[in-house]
Amino acid sequence: AQKITQTQPGMFVQEKEAVTLDCTYDTSDQSYGLFWYKQPSSGEMIFLIYQGSYDEQNATEGRYSLNFQKARKSANLVISASQLGDSAMYFCAMREGEGESGGSNYKLTFGKGTLLTVNP
Amino acid sequence: DAGITQSPRHKVTETGTPVTLRCHQTENHRYMYWYRQDPGHGLRLIHYSYGVKDTDKGEVSDGYSVSRSKTEDFLLTLESATSSQTSVYFCAISEIAGRSNEQFFGPGTRLTVL
Repeated sequence: AQKITQTQPGMFVQEKEAVTLDCTYDTSDQSYGLFWYKQPSSGEMIFLIYQGSYDEQNATEGRYSLNFQKARKSANLVISASQLGDSAMYFCAMREGEGESGGSNYKLTFGKGTLLTVNP
Repeated sequence: DAGITQSPRHKVTETGTPVTLRCHQTENHRYMYWYRQDPGHGLRLIHYSYGVKDTDKGEVSDGYSVSRSKTEDFLLTLESATSSQTSVYFCAISEIAGRSNEQFFGPGTRLTVL
Protein backbone atom coordinates (compact mmCIF):
# COMPACT_ATOMS: atom_id res chain seq x y z
CA ALA A 1 0.00 0.00 0.00
CA GLN A 2 1.19 3.47 -0.78
CA LYS A 3 2.22 5.50 2.20
CA ILE A 4 1.45 8.82 0.55
CA THR A 5 -1.41 9.20 -1.91
CA GLN A 6 -2.03 12.26 -4.00
CA THR A 7 -5.16 11.52 -5.99
CA GLN A 8 -5.10 14.59 -8.22
CA PRO A 9 -2.57 14.25 -11.04
CA GLY A 10 -3.50 17.74 -12.24
CA MET A 11 -5.46 20.71 -10.95
CA PHE A 12 -6.50 24.01 -12.48
CA VAL A 13 -7.35 27.19 -10.61
CA GLN A 14 -8.11 30.76 -11.56
CA GLU A 15 -5.71 33.43 -10.45
CA LYS A 16 -6.66 34.93 -7.06
CA GLU A 17 -8.81 31.94 -6.10
CA ALA A 18 -7.99 29.39 -3.40
CA VAL A 19 -7.11 25.80 -4.22
CA THR A 20 -6.80 22.63 -2.14
CA LEU A 21 -4.34 19.88 -3.04
CA ASP A 22 -5.17 16.53 -1.49
CA CYS A 23 -2.83 14.23 0.39
CA THR A 24 -3.64 11.13 2.40
CA TYR A 25 -1.10 9.07 4.26
CA ASP A 26 -0.75 5.68 5.85
CA THR A 27 1.30 5.01 8.95
CA SER A 28 1.07 3.06 12.18
CA ASP A 29 3.47 5.39 13.97
CA GLN A 30 2.07 7.76 16.56
CA SER A 31 4.75 10.33 15.85
CA TYR A 32 5.34 11.51 12.32
CA GLY A 33 5.73 14.63 10.22
CA LEU A 34 4.09 15.79 7.01
CA PHE A 35 5.69 18.07 4.46
CA TRP A 36 4.77 19.83 1.28
CA TYR A 37 7.28 20.71 -1.41
CA LYS A 38 6.89 22.75 -4.58
CA GLN A 39 8.75 21.98 -7.79
CA PRO A 40 8.45 24.67 -10.48
CA SER A 41 9.29 23.97 -14.10
CA SER A 42 12.89 24.99 -13.40
CA GLY A 43 13.22 21.78 -11.39
CA GLU A 44 14.30 22.79 -7.91
CA MET A 45 12.53 21.41 -4.85
CA ILE A 46 11.25 24.10 -2.49
CA PHE A 47 10.09 23.34 1.06
CA LEU A 48 6.72 24.95 1.78
CA ILE A 49 5.21 23.81 5.06
CA TYR A 50 5.46 21.24 7.84
CA GLN A 51 2.92 19.65 10.17
CA GLY A 52 3.87 17.47 13.14
CA SER A 53 1.53 14.71 14.20
CA TYR A 54 1.26 16.16 17.70
CA ASP A 55 0.63 19.71 16.54
CA GLU A 56 -2.80 20.77 17.68
CA GLN A 57 -3.14 23.61 15.24
CA ASN A 58 -2.94 23.51 11.49
CA ALA A 59 0.33 24.84 10.13
CA THR A 60 0.35 28.09 8.18
CA GLU A 61 3.10 29.79 6.18
CA GLY A 62 1.96 32.93 4.40
CA ARG A 63 -0.53 31.93 1.70
CA TYR A 64 0.00 28.23 2.46
CA SER A 65 -1.91 26.34 5.10
CA LEU A 66 -2.13 22.69 5.87
CA ASN A 67 -5.55 21.22 6.62
CA PHE A 68 -4.54 18.42 8.96
CA GLN A 69 -7.22 15.84 9.80
CA LYS A 70 -5.49 13.22 11.86
CA ALA A 71 -8.38 10.79 12.19
CA ARG A 72 -8.83 10.77 8.43
CA LYS A 73 -5.06 10.67 7.83
CA SER A 74 -5.20 13.58 5.49
CA ALA A 75 -2.89 16.58 5.15
CA ASN A 76 -4.25 18.76 2.38
CA LEU A 77 -2.41 21.86 1.23
CA VAL A 78 -4.47 25.00 0.81
CA ILE A 79 -3.09 27.83 -1.28
CA SER A 80 -5.02 31.06 -0.89
CA ALA A 81 -5.16 33.83 -3.49
CA SER A 82 -3.40 31.82 -6.20
CA GLN A 83 -0.76 33.55 -8.28
CA LEU A 84 0.61 32.66 -11.70
CA GLY A 85 3.90 31.79 -10.04
CA ASP A 86 2.17 29.05 -8.06
CA SER A 87 1.97 26.94 -11.21
CA ALA A 88 4.18 23.98 -10.36
CA MET A 89 4.26 20.36 -9.26
CA TYR A 90 3.45 19.89 -5.58
CA PHE A 91 4.61 16.94 -3.54
CA CYS A 92 3.35 15.71 -0.20
CA ALA A 93 5.85 13.77 1.92
CA MET A 94 5.93 11.99 5.28
CA ARG A 95 8.61 11.28 7.84
CA GLU A 96 7.70 8.43 10.14
CA GLY A 97 8.79 8.16 13.75
CA GLU A 98 11.02 10.26 15.91
CA GLY A 99 14.46 9.92 17.34
CA GLU A 100 17.99 9.77 16.15
CA SER A 101 18.73 6.09 15.98
CA GLY A 102 20.52 5.35 12.75
CA GLY A 103 19.00 8.27 10.98
CA SER A 104 16.21 6.14 9.59
CA ASN A 105 13.63 8.36 11.20
CA TYR A 106 14.67 11.21 8.98
CA LYS A 107 13.77 9.56 5.69
CA LEU A 108 10.97 11.05 3.65
CA THR A 109 8.43 9.15 1.58
CA PHE A 110 6.96 11.21 -1.24
CA GLY A 111 3.68 11.07 -3.10
CA LYS A 112 3.58 11.13 -6.87
CA GLY A 113 2.68 14.79 -7.02
CA THR A 114 -0.04 17.11 -8.28
CA LEU A 115 0.57 19.47 -11.19
CA LEU A 116 -1.13 22.78 -10.45
CA THR A 117 -1.84 25.22 -13.24
CA VAL A 118 -2.96 28.74 -12.37
CA ASN A 119 -4.91 30.39 -15.16
CA PRO A 120 -4.95 34.19 -15.62
CA ASP B 1 19.40 29.01 0.32
CA ALA B 2 21.08 25.91 1.71
CA GLY B 3 24.53 25.44 0.26
CA ILE B 4 24.12 22.29 -1.77
CA THR B 5 25.73 21.68 -5.13
CA GLN B 6 25.56 18.69 -7.40
CA SER B 7 27.97 17.74 -10.14
CA PRO B 8 27.67 17.18 -12.96
CA ARG B 9 24.34 18.86 -13.64
CA HIS B 10 23.85 16.94 -16.86
CA LYS B 11 25.43 13.73 -18.09
CA VAL B 12 24.92 11.44 -21.03
CA THR B 13 26.58 8.05 -20.85
CA GLU B 14 26.39 4.63 -22.41
CA THR B 15 25.04 1.42 -20.98
CA GLY B 16 27.62 -0.48 -18.98
CA THR B 17 29.81 2.47 -18.05
CA PRO B 18 30.39 3.52 -14.44
CA VAL B 19 29.03 6.87 -13.35
CA THR B 20 29.63 8.87 -10.17
CA LEU B 21 27.48 11.77 -9.08
CA ARG B 22 28.71 14.14 -6.42
CA CYS B 23 26.78 16.06 -3.80
CA HIS B 24 28.59 18.76 -1.86
CA GLN B 25 27.20 20.75 1.07
CA THR B 26 28.53 23.69 3.02
CA GLU B 27 25.94 23.49 5.83
CA ASN B 28 27.69 20.84 7.94
CA HIS B 29 24.42 18.89 8.12
CA ARG B 30 24.61 15.35 9.42
CA TYR B 31 22.13 13.66 7.10
CA MET B 32 22.44 13.39 3.36
CA TYR B 33 20.17 11.62 0.87
CA TRP B 34 20.06 10.59 -2.76
CA TYR B 35 16.71 10.44 -4.56
CA ARG B 36 15.71 9.74 -8.11
CA GLN B 37 12.74 11.38 -9.75
CA ASP B 38 10.83 9.70 -12.56
CA PRO B 39 7.51 10.64 -14.17
CA GLY B 40 4.63 9.02 -12.32
CA HIS B 41 6.78 8.01 -9.36
CA GLY B 42 7.56 11.20 -7.49
CA LEU B 43 10.85 11.06 -5.61
CA ARG B 44 12.19 7.76 -4.39
CA LEU B 45 15.00 7.33 -1.90
CA ILE B 46 18.07 5.48 -3.19
CA HIS B 47 20.51 5.69 -0.27
CA TYR B 48 21.05 7.94 2.69
CA SER B 49 23.80 8.76 5.14
CA TYR B 50 23.57 9.61 8.82
CA GLY B 51 27.21 10.44 9.31
CA VAL B 52 30.65 10.00 7.85
CA LYS B 53 30.97 6.40 6.65
CA ASP B 54 27.46 5.65 7.91
CA THR B 55 25.08 4.84 5.08
CA ASP B 56 22.00 2.75 4.51
CA LYS B 57 19.76 1.63 1.69
CA GLY B 58 16.58 3.30 0.62
CA GLU B 59 13.62 2.14 -1.40
CA VAL B 60 15.37 1.71 -4.78
CA SER B 61 19.00 0.92 -3.98
CA ASP B 62 19.67 -1.92 -6.45
CA GLY B 63 22.40 -0.96 -8.91
CA TYR B 64 23.64 1.96 -6.79
CA SER B 65 26.31 2.40 -4.18
CA VAL B 66 27.29 5.40 -2.07
CA SER B 67 30.19 6.67 -0.08
CA ARG B 68 30.69 9.44 2.43
CA SER B 69 34.27 10.00 3.53
CA LYS B 70 33.72 13.61 4.58
CA THR B 71 30.77 15.41 6.12
CA GLU B 72 30.40 17.65 3.12
CA ASP B 73 30.50 15.08 0.30
CA PHE B 74 28.12 12.25 -0.58
CA LEU B 75 28.87 10.28 -3.72
CA LEU B 76 26.42 8.15 -5.67
CA THR B 77 27.91 5.54 -7.99
CA LEU B 78 26.27 3.53 -10.71
CA GLU B 79 28.71 0.68 -11.16
CA SER B 80 27.38 -0.28 -14.59
CA ALA B 81 24.77 2.14 -15.84
CA THR B 82 21.57 0.80 -17.43
CA SER B 83 18.87 2.58 -19.42
CA SER B 84 16.47 2.15 -16.49
CA GLN B 85 18.73 4.46 -14.48
CA THR B 86 17.99 7.35 -16.80
CA SER B 87 16.48 9.83 -14.36
CA VAL B 88 16.88 13.09 -12.51
CA TYR B 89 18.89 12.62 -9.34
CA PHE B 90 18.48 14.88 -6.34
CA CYS B 91 20.67 15.17 -3.31
CA ALA B 92 19.18 16.45 -0.06
CA ILE B 93 20.46 17.32 3.40
CA SER B 94 18.89 17.67 6.82
CA GLU B 95 19.89 18.16 10.41
CA ILE B 96 18.55 17.02 13.74
CA ALA B 97 18.17 20.49 15.18
CA GLY B 98 14.91 22.20 14.49
CA ARG B 99 11.36 21.07 14.86
CA SER B 100 10.61 19.98 11.37
CA ASN B 101 14.03 18.74 10.21
CA GLU B 102 13.01 19.55 6.68
CA GLN B 103 15.22 18.36 3.89
CA PHE B 104 16.88 20.88 1.62
CA PHE B 105 17.46 19.81 -1.94
CA GLY B 106 20.23 20.36 -4.42
CA PRO B 107 19.54 21.50 -7.99
CA GLY B 108 19.45 17.98 -9.43
CA THR B 109 21.48 16.03 -11.99
CA ARG B 110 19.87 14.87 -15.21
CA LEU B 111 21.40 11.54 -16.25
CA THR B 112 20.72 9.90 -19.57
CA VAL B 113 21.93 6.35 -20.20
CA LEU B 114 21.90 5.40 -23.86
